[in-house]
Amino acid sequence: DAGITQSPRHKVTETGTPVTLRCHQTENHRYMYWYRQDPGHGLRLIHYSYGVKDTDKGEVSDGYSVSRSKTEDFLLTLESATSSQTSVYFCAISGVGADTQYFGPGTRLTVL
Amino acid sequence: GENVEQHPSTLSVQEGDSAVIKCTYSDSASNYFPWYKQELGKRPQLIIDIRSNVGEKKDQRIAVTLNKTAKHFSLHITETQPEDSAVYFCAGSSRSGNTGKLIFGQGTTLQVKP
Repeated sequence: DAGITQSPRHKVTETGTPVTLRCHQTENHRYMYWYRQDPGHGLRLIHYSYGVKDTDKGEVSDGYSVSRSKTEDFLLTLESATSSQTSVYFCAISGVGADTQYFGPGTRLTVL
Repeated sequence: GENVEQHPSTLSVQEGDSAVIKCTYSDSASNYFPWYKQELGKRPQLIIDIRSNVGEKKDQRIAVTLNKTAKHFSLHITETQPEDSAVYFCAGSSRSGNTGKLIFGQGTTLQVKP
């Protein structure tokens, strides 16, 4: 597996609380992505980054924000978590060419 | 933007049989098509990919074919084994400037019965 870690791996929180998920890579890859995975929907892109401080929205970005202050870290923040954001969140990285993506181990988030 | 449709959503085969999963894409500019395998509770793992300048690629029991004219690509698994049981995702590339994104299909749950 590529050098990608995610933290926390599991989290239970309550509606309305802020939540931050962290993705850390040791590959020095330029591109980083956040996906959510829900039954029947496959993997849907939330936000992605093409460099330090360079980010853009994916197809399901409402309710999420991201930040990338260092090459190795990409943070996903839920400003005010809702039950519809209960999901498994995967981070992915990609190097030169921005094609092949490698996934982190995932974070299972439950919003009560 | 790119849209990727994947069929079937579930597939059950006997051990030793072949399995075929098909995907169609909408963006004729897409030029990269990976396939991922995801075992229960694990991360998606890249198993094979193909670029638009080739029509077929093989890796042992796994092969992928691409028909650019029809805008579809398929994953072929021969001599299936119980350990092939997993969810398989196809994806197509979608480029915006120099930023690459992947659009994923909805996934196919493959069950290989011993």
